[in-house]
Amino acid sequence: GENVEQHPSTLSVQEGDSAVIKCTYSDSASNYFPWYKQELGKRPQLIIDIRSNVGEKKDQRIAVTLNKTAKHFSLHITETQPEDSAVYFCAAYNNNDMRFGAGTRLTVKP
Amino acid sequence: GAVVSQHPSRVICKSGTSVKIECRSLDFQATTMFWYRQFPKQSLMLMATSNEGSKATYEQGVEKDKFLINHASLTLSTLTVTSAHPEDSSFYICSARAFVGTSGRGAYNEQFFGPGTRLTVL
Repeated sequence: GENVEQHPSTLSVQEGDSAVIKCTYSDSASNYFPWYKQELGKRPQLIIDIRSNVGEKKDQRIAVTLNKTAKHFSLHITETQPEDSAVYFCAAYNNNDMRFGAGTRLTVKP
Repeated sequence: GAVVSQHPSRVICKSGTSVKIECRSLDFQATTMFWYRQFPKQSLMLMATSNEGSKATYEQGVEKDKFLINHASLTLSTLTVTSAHPEDSSFYICSARAFVGTSGRGAYNEQFFGPGTRLTVL
């Protein structure tokens, strides 16, 4: 089955700096890679996703890159703000089920 | 996006009782729903895949007799934690798969999450 690894587990940045979270996956059949933001006690919220036929996608301050050959994908947040502080999860999906990374706790210091 | 509801949002029960959690897709039909469990400061762990009209598929290590799943309709899946114990206390989240469109390489789906149920077993 699919195995998703995510790094780092915690990340602390100064407001305005960039944050990068990286994930690797094992199943080459996975074709959809969403990123979720979860605030304490709440449901995960989809913030951006990328499909296997695309190498990069950007939405304002958030971007995701995918390297299918190396089986890794990354989330990039630029100009971070305190409200970006949360736990971020990557996931890999292959039409059967979705597997999550362990999560990254991002703290943006004002 | 598609809306998934979950009920109850919070439940406190005594050890030994059974608790039922409902997951509903409100504006779409979901042939497949998923149940996750999340411990504090940890990731979402897939417990089982719920398929409408058939038996659920459980992940390794998840007791099917303890976590009963019923997907009786295209909009409702239920998770019953039987004879709950304090170690079952956790945040349970469901998600539902929705068809969202097609691309040059075929149809694809997305998953939408419910708001979660916090179970506390005393």
